[in-house]
Amino acid sequence: EDQVTQSPEALRLQEGESSSLNCSYTVSGLRGLFWYRQDPGKGPEFLFTLYSAGEEKEKERLKATLTKKESFLHITAPKPEYSATYLCAVQGSGDYKLSFGAGTTVTVRA
Amino acid sequence: DAGITQSPRHKVTETGTPVTLRCHQTENHRYMYWYRQDPGHGLRLIHYSYGVKDTDKGEVSDGYSVSRSKTEDFLLTLESATSSQTSVYFCAIHEQGAEAFFGQGTRLTVV
Repeated sequence: EDQVTQSPEALRLQEGESSSLNCSYTVSGLRGLFWYRQDPGKGPEFLFTLYSAGEEKEKERLKATLTKKESFLHITAPKPEYSATYLCAVQGSGDYKLSFGAGTTVTVRA
Repeated sequence: DAGITQSPRHKVTETGTPVTLRCHQTENHRYMYWYRQDPGHGLRLIHYSYGVKDTDKGEVSDGYSVSRSKTEDFLLTLESATSSQTSVYFCAIHEQGAEAFFGQGTRLTVV
């Protein structure tokens, strides 16, 4: 069964303080690894898809990387608006569903 | 906006009553999903559908049933609501290997 573990559970940062979130996974044949951002009271919002080890994707101050066992979401010099819960999910080959981690809640203080 | 609408957005119901949540999509996606989100558990799959009248169970399907009579509508029914079903429910659409799009969620409280 696919498993996804995210760490840390919570992260408090000062504005401008860069950091990384970890997503460790086990899956039988990776079809895709997905990162989402979720604001309180809202549905998850798609950020990135990574398909193979070594792949990297960037969007504004966020950069996602992928190895065969884990993915990192790097936040560079964050602003308070980057405060959110970040979710990681995987889909295995031949699987219809996404398996989610519990998320990392990031708080960026001005 | 991925064109997914969930209703109701909030509901309080009593233990033992049936409850139906609705998900409506305008994207003509074949696959639709119901997840529940609870603190410390992330999103867990309840049921999914891979076409009209084609549905299957997810990892936490006990106490839930679904129906899909039209491509655009996917209904989730709690047959007899229990306090353990108090949660936030999300509908999602996605094709295989592609990103998922989520609705805004339904916050259900069973008292």
